[in-house]
This record gives sequence, C-alpha cells and structure tokens, in this order.
Amino acid sequence: SQKIEQNSEALNIQEGKTATLTCNYTNYSPAYLQWYRQDPGRGPVFLLLIRENEKEKRKERLKVTFDTTLKQSLFHITASQPADSATYLCALDMDYGNNRLAFGKGNQVVVIP
Amino acid sequence: GAGVSQSPSNKVTEKGKDVELRCDPISGHTALYWYRQSLGQGLEFLIYFQGNSAPDKSGLPSDRFSAERTGGSVSTLTIQRTQQEDSAVYLCASSSPDSRGETQYFGPGTRLLVL
Repeated sequence: SQKIEQNSEALNIQEGKTATLTCNYTNYSPAYLQWYRQDPGRGPVFLLLIRENEKEKRKERLKVTFDTTLKQSLFHITASQPADSATYLCALDMDYGNNRLAFGKGNQVVVIP
Repeated sequence: GAGVSQSPSNKVTEKGKDVELRCDPISGHTALYWYRQSLGQGLEFLIYFQGNSAPDKSGLPSDRFSAERTGGSVSTLTIQRTQQEDSAVYLCASSSPDSRGETQYFGPGTRLLVL
C-alpha cells in the first residue's frame, strides 16, 4: 500500500511570501497526485491534480511540481494571504489508476498578516 | 448547484448502539466514496461505489461496518455495536465521470462521538 508523508509541523509564514509544502510517497509511482485544502470543521476541497507525465501545474497563485524519481511533490502558494491559512492534504491513487485515494495527514499553513 | 450533503452533522451515541450516517452525492455523480478521519490522522478510505458495479469494500475496518447505495444516489454507512475507537469524522465524497472520476467532491462530514 502507498505511504504518504507530509510535514507534521505547521508552517508559519509572513503574508506575501511563498509557502512551500512537501509530499513524499513510497512504493509505486502513482498515475496522478492531488492536493486538497481542508478548513477546520469542513471537508477537503480539491485544488490541483498533476499526472505522472507532468512536471508542473499552475492554478492562479498555486503551483505543484511532481518528481517521480524523487517520489515527491512540492506545493507552492505564492503571494500568500491570511485567507490561505488552512491544512493542505496530498493524495494519490491507492492503486495505479484506481480512483480510491490515499491521503497524507496534511500540513497546516498559517499566514501571518 | 448543491454540493455533497451529509447528515447528521453531529452524532453522539453510546457504546454498543448502531448508527446510520447518510450521504447525498452531487446529482449525476456516478462514484461515491466514504472516508474516515480520526483526530490527527489522515483520511482513511472505507468503501467505494461506482455505478452499478459491486462496491469496493476493501477499506472497511471490521464487519461491524457496512454501506449501501440505493438507486445509484443516496448512500448510508452503518456502524453496528459502536466502539469508542469508532469516534471520528466520517466524510463522503462523489465524483463525476466527466473528470475521469479523479476529482472528488467532499461533504462536510458527520462527527461521530461514541461514549
């Protein structure tokens, strides 16, 4: 089964700076990797999906990279805002191409005004 | 448009009782998933329904857990003889075949507390 690691320590960052989160996985390389945002008391919200043959994906102030050699994805929030404060979850298909997802425990981001 | 809805939003029960959790997926979504999120833990896959296919129950932690999906829409997750370790947030998600079923849309969850 897939094991996913995200930093358990909260990332405190000054408003306007770039926040960078890491997601590492073991075992096989997934067909795709996703990032979700979760606010307290709410369900996760989909942000970005990057496929195994893609190196980088962008959406507004968000950027995701995917290195299948390192088995790692980086998630960047540029020009961070206090509204970006949340927990960010990394998720991969549990079996190649299967839509069941395995999630990391998430990494909390706190943007300080 | 309406998102995924779940009910109840909170449930407190006594150990040994049965509980039923409900999920209404987004209309037209053919896939439905149940996950469990315990305090400080990641989301744990429980069960997956895809169209009329037999459900993938590989994530259910014990035979006290079961789920059904009626008419390809609403789903109910049942936990029999609840234990304190069942306390968690139970999240439901659905996905559309238009997105190859990859993007999942989550409901707000049901917070279950077993006393």
